[in-house]
Amino acid sequence: SSELTQPPSLSVSPGQTASITCSGDRLGDKYACWYQQKPGQSPVLVIYQDNKRPSGIPERFSGSNSGNTATLTISGTQAMDEADYYCQAWDSSTVVFGGGTKLTVL
Amino acid sequence: EVQLLESGGGLVQPGGSLRLSCVASGFTFSSYVMNWVRQAPGKGLEWVSPISSSGGTTYYADSVKGRFTISRDNSKNTLYLQMNSLRAEDTAVYYCARKNTENAFDIWGQGTMVTVSS
Repeated sequence: SSELTQPPSLSVSPGQTASITCSGDRLGDKYACWYQQKPGQSPVLVIYQDNKRPSGIPERFSGSNSGNTATLTISGTQAMDEADYYCQAWDSSTVVFGGGTKLTVL
Repeated sequence: EVQLLESGGGLVQPGGSLRLSCVASGFTFSSYVMNWVRQAPGKGLEWVSPISSSGGTTYYADSVKGRFTISRDNSKNTLYLQMNSLRAEDTAVYYCARKNTENAFDIWGQGTMVTVSS
């Protein structure tokens, strides 16, 4: 099965834009999802089908996917956005998760 | 309210067995593919096993194939994971998760901790 690669960590200042990447072979040919997980909590879906936001997810969360890279963008990052973020895609009817990126807002 | 509630985790010795349950509420359980996803301490998410809405089709990650069995009882709105021949590397929080029509895991339970240790 394919692998999805994410940077282990990313730091951003409050109010700035955070861009978290997820790389995989021909990832742009598949749909990517993104999940947010805060310490001690369950994952929450924040982006599906590359760029769609579930109800209740703030507009500052957006996504894109092209070539070999999917990107989660958080505009105007807030302290409450500090969390682990995981990308996910389907590969031949199996699920693949990225290793996760720890986003620090400081 | 749409909700998933897992139970059944605990401490078990290597080679032992556990059965996890996940009770769904607030949606038509029998219409959805359900999944088990686990997360080892300090690690990322690992997809373990899905089951079709009817229960007729299942799949297992290589890491649990032959040891774990997923099942569901749509009359009880409940998903199960029977775990046998447990190993230390199975230690994790186990989440049940609903797959929606857009192939995303849109609802997650709170998780249940499984610790395999002597």
